[in-house]
Parts: sequence; C-alpha cells; structure tokens
Amino acid sequence: QKEVEQDPGPLSVPEGAIVSLNCTYSNSAFQYFMWYRQYSRKGPELLMYTYSSGNKEDGRFTAQVDKSSKYISLFIRDSQPSDSATYLCATPSSNTGKLIFGQGTTLQVKP
Amino acid sequence: EPEVTQTPSHQVTQMGQEVILRCVPISNHLYFYWYRQILGQKVEFLVSFYNNEISEKSEIFDDQFSVERPDGSNFTLKIRSTKLEDSAMYFCASSEDGMNTEAFFGQGTRLTVV
Repeated sequence: QKEVEQDPGPLSVPEGAIVSLNCTYSNSAFQYFMWYRQYSRKGPELLMYTYSSGNKEDGRFTAQVDKSSKYISLFIRDSQPSDSATYLCATPSSNTGKLIFGQGTTLQVKP
Repeated sequence: EPEVTQTPSHQVTQMGQEVILRCVPISNHLYFYWYRQILGQKVEFLVSFYNNEISEKSEIFDDQFSVERPDGSNFTLKIRSTKLEDSAMYFCASSEDGMNTEAFFGQGTRLTVV
C-alpha cells in the first residue's frame, strides 16, 4: 500500500466552481500535512500547512484533515483559471522532515 | 519574502560527466533537502541534511550522489557520473525545524543527461 495516495485526475471545472482535491494516507502516525501547488516545470509552492485533525482556511483555500479515516482534502472556492496547476499533498514521515508526496492531481479551470 | 534559490535552472550534461547543482536555502532554516521529480512522476525524496551531516537518505541516493554545505549559505548536490536515468527536475528545499515546520522549495534545476 502506498503511503500517500492521490487521484492524478485530470480534473476539469468551470471558472467559479468549488474544487475538492483529496488524498489518503496509510500511516496513522502522520500528523502534519501540506498542500503544494506546482505549475508545469516549476517548484512546489506551499499553499497550506495543517496539524492533526480539523480545518484551516486561507482566503479561497480550506484544508481539512480527518485522521479517523486518514483522509485529507483541499477545497478551492470560486476557482480561477490561474488555479490551473497540479496540486500535491505531502506529509513529513520522519523527524528529519522528509516529505512523502502523493502523485499530484492536475486541475484545469476553464474560463 | 525569503525564498530558496537554485542554480542553474537548466543543465545539459553528457553521460558520465559530473554535475553540481546549487541551492541557497532560506537564511534562518536549519534543515535542507534535495528531491527529484522525473517527468510525469511524483516528487521523490533524495536526502536530508542537518547540522552539517546527512540525517536521512533514500535508496536513490547511492554512492554517485553527495551533498555539501561548503559555506554558510550554499547547499550543493553533486552527481559524480551521470546516467541517462538521472534526467529529472531536482528541487532543493529547506525548513526551520524539520517535521515540525513547513518546507519551502526552490524552482528547481532541470537536468538533462544526453
């Protein structure tokens, strides 16, 4: 079983839609979760950083962690064409901060 | 806003040659990392570096790879004898406090081995 799994998509939505991106993870010891946005051939850009269960909101973005089901989500409200990118979930798997990434979900927001 | 910077942005090298990829992490960060992303694949961990030594490395990080922090600002990844399969994006990242804080990534170096 992969440690972090993510549906690669692609996911295509109209501008203004609410987008839901999801990951599952296998190890209940994971506590911190990150969402990164990656444009083509660029570095991952940190969007959200959460600890344990619950919600965290930042502008149009909400990150949600459900530790009981080992499920993490990123919601994007009022999606814009500029949100078109690959979204990566990641979690540090050791004290060194080594990150394990999901495969990434490619999102296209159509004008 | 502080950022991780990487040079060069693109490097083409012949198989068997040595390459050095350079990174300047965020200045007050203590943990440094290299990751690799082969085209179309997921981002993979290579190595973490703390207190001037390797703290963890992956199976990918074999004897042909080495890392160094030659001065107070630079962090380098050396690939001693490049192979075709080393062609990938290489990302440097840094964090203030390992797993307890978020990691910030550079824009990457695209390495093409021909």
